[in-house]
Parts: sequence; C-alpha cells; structure tokens
Amino acid sequence: NAGVTQTPKFRVLKTGQSMTLLCAQDMNHEYMYWYRQDPGMGLRLIHYSVGEGTTAKGEVPDGYNVSRLKKQNFLLGLESAAPSQTSVYFCASSGLKLLSYEQYFGPGTRLTVT
Amino acid sequence: AQSVTQLDSHVSVSEGTPVLLRCNYSSSYSPSLFWYVQHPNKGLQLLLKYTSAATLVKGINGFEAEFKKSETSFHLTKPSAHMSDAAEYFCVVSDQYNFNKFYFGSGTKLNVKP
Repeated sequence: NAGVTQTPKFRVLKTGQSMTLLCAQDMNHEYMYWYRQDPGMGLRLIHYSVGEGTTAKGEVPDGYNVSRLKKQNFLLGLESAAPSQTSVYFCASSGLKLLSYEQYFGPGTRLTVT
Repeated sequence: AQSVTQLDSHVSVSEGTPVLLRCNYSSSYSPSLFWYVQHPNKGLQLLLKYTSAATLVKGINGFEAEFKKSETSFHLTKPSAHMSDAAEYFCVVSDQYNFNKFYFGSGTKLNVKP
C-alpha cells in the first residue's frame, strides 16, 4: 500500500516549456487534489477532482490544466511554464475515516522555472 | 466563505517546555478541523482532527487540540517539546458545503532550542 505517489520529485524547466506531473493513489479514493506551496502562503488549491472524468477549479487554476482519466491517477499539466510557477506541488486524495473526510498527501514535486 | 488564520508565523520554544500554536477559523457552522505537520522537505502528515465527537482531540506524538466554538479557535498544544517537533504546522478547515474541500492556514514554523 503505497498511499499517494508523485512523479517526478524534482524538475527544472525553462520559461515556455511544458510538463506533466503525475499523481497516483491506491486507496480507491474518489477525491483528488493538486496544491502548490509557496513560502508564507500555506497550500493553495489549484484544481481538484470529485471522481473519474471530472475536474474543477480551485483558488489558483490559471496556467494549469488537469485530467482524471482513471480513478487512481490525477495529472497536472503546465502548457507554457512561467517563473511564477516555481513552487512545490503536492497531490492529495481524500477518503472517509472516522466520521470525516481526511486528506493523504504525496511527497511533493519541487519545480523550478528559469 | 471559510478561512483559517494562524496567529503566529514563527514560534520558538526550548526543549521540554510547552508548545502552543494558535489557530482561529471563520465559519457559520461547525466544521471539521485538522492539524498537519510538515518536516523539512517532506510531505504533510495528519496530526489530529476534530469532527464534533469530542472538543478535546488527542493526536500523534503527544499533541492535542481543543475546539472552542465560542472563540472559533482550534489551538494545538503539547506539554513538553522535543527537538523532533521542529517543523511547520498547518491548521486546516473543511468547506461548509463540500466536506471534501479544504482551506489551509499560512502555517506556523516551530523552532525547538536545545
């Protein structure tokens, strides 16, 4: 039981390049999320998904796209990277446990855009 | 809309002394509340959660938090700090209408001095 995994762990991009971050979970959770973490700002929700084939915008969706073609996978895409997207990206999934939903996080992806 | 305020961005304590990390939330209902811990260059780990079952919640590693509806607070405490507690801590509240959507505080960095 690996929980939530993310690939890659580190990536450096040049401005204008594209990339896809992959998140996978093996807990059969319906909900999955992508967050970005910047110093002093906590975690901010980029996009989330309430089930296979569905996605929704979070607080900071601009410049990102997502897809949930399979229940266990949630992909985050950057079509044209900008230095402002330098951040640490966390994927999470959530499931019901002891009266409430709680989130399980991946280890993060550190992205630098130069 | 829900929001979470962590009142201190940095807290410094000596090893063996009590820890208090403060969190206030704004909500017109009784939400689910969580504390997560993030050690340097790691993902987020759930410390404890409140789900209306009991106002005093015990978590892992000796941490506990008390839900006070009248004060809209959910402060995190530990009687005696350990060096391994040095980390960043996040207070999180669930969305009023969608219990699978969460809002993060900006984080409190705990420094533990020997």
